[in-house]
Amino acid sequence: SYEVTQPPSVSVSPGQTASITCSGDKLGGQFVCWYQQKPGQSPLLVISQDNKRPSDIPERFSGSKSGSTATLTISGTQAMDEADYYCQVWDLTTGAVFGGGTKLTVL
Amino acid sequence: EVQLVESGGDLVQPGGSLRLTCAGSGFSFRDYEMQWVRQAPGKGLEWLSHIDAHSSDVHYADSAKGRFTISRDNAKNSLFLQMNSLRVDDTAVYYCASSRNMLVVGDYWGRGTLVTVSS
Repeated sequence: SYEVTQPPSVSVSPGQTASITCSGDKLGGQFVCWYQQKPGQSPLLVISQDNKRPSDIPERFSGSKSGSTATLTISGTQAMDEADYYCQVWDLTTGAVFGGGTKLTVL
Repeated sequence: EVQLVESGGDLVQPGGSLRLTCAGSGFSFRDYEMQWVRQAPGKGLEWLSHIDAHSSDVHYADSAKGRFTISRDNAKNSLFLQMNSLRVDDTAVYYCASSRNMLVVGDYWGRGTLVTVSS
């Protein structure tokens, strides 16, 4: 079955830029979504279709993709952005696929 | 306000069955794709199943095929997941999610319902 890969953890200082990657050999032809999940909460969609930000998501969240790697970028990272982040794609044979998640630490 | 509320989670013995329900409100339920996702304790998100707005197209993860059945009742704004032959490794929080586009698992998510499979 198809898999996408994320780094287990990323650290960033407050006010700096955090980048979280998602890699998969079919990613170039798939739309990538990103979800934020804080402890004890449900996932929250922060980016859909590679780079579309829902209206209630702060502008500091952005998405991009190049070849087989998608990137979630958080500019001016705040303490409140500390969370687990998951990428998700839809694969024609596997269905929806989530990455393993990346724990973002703001320190 | 969009709301998705899951129910039906419980403690069940291995080999048992459960039926989860997700009640939607605050949006046009009949126009939305619906999906089930689970999260085992301390683990990541695992997609389980998708159903389109008119119940004409369904998909299952390998872990759900043959044991889980997704369905919906648009008249009651409800989504269901029938789970049979439950195993210990099915222990997880089960979320329902809605979106206008099946490529996006969830524009909106419920708070989840806990299923514990244990003897």
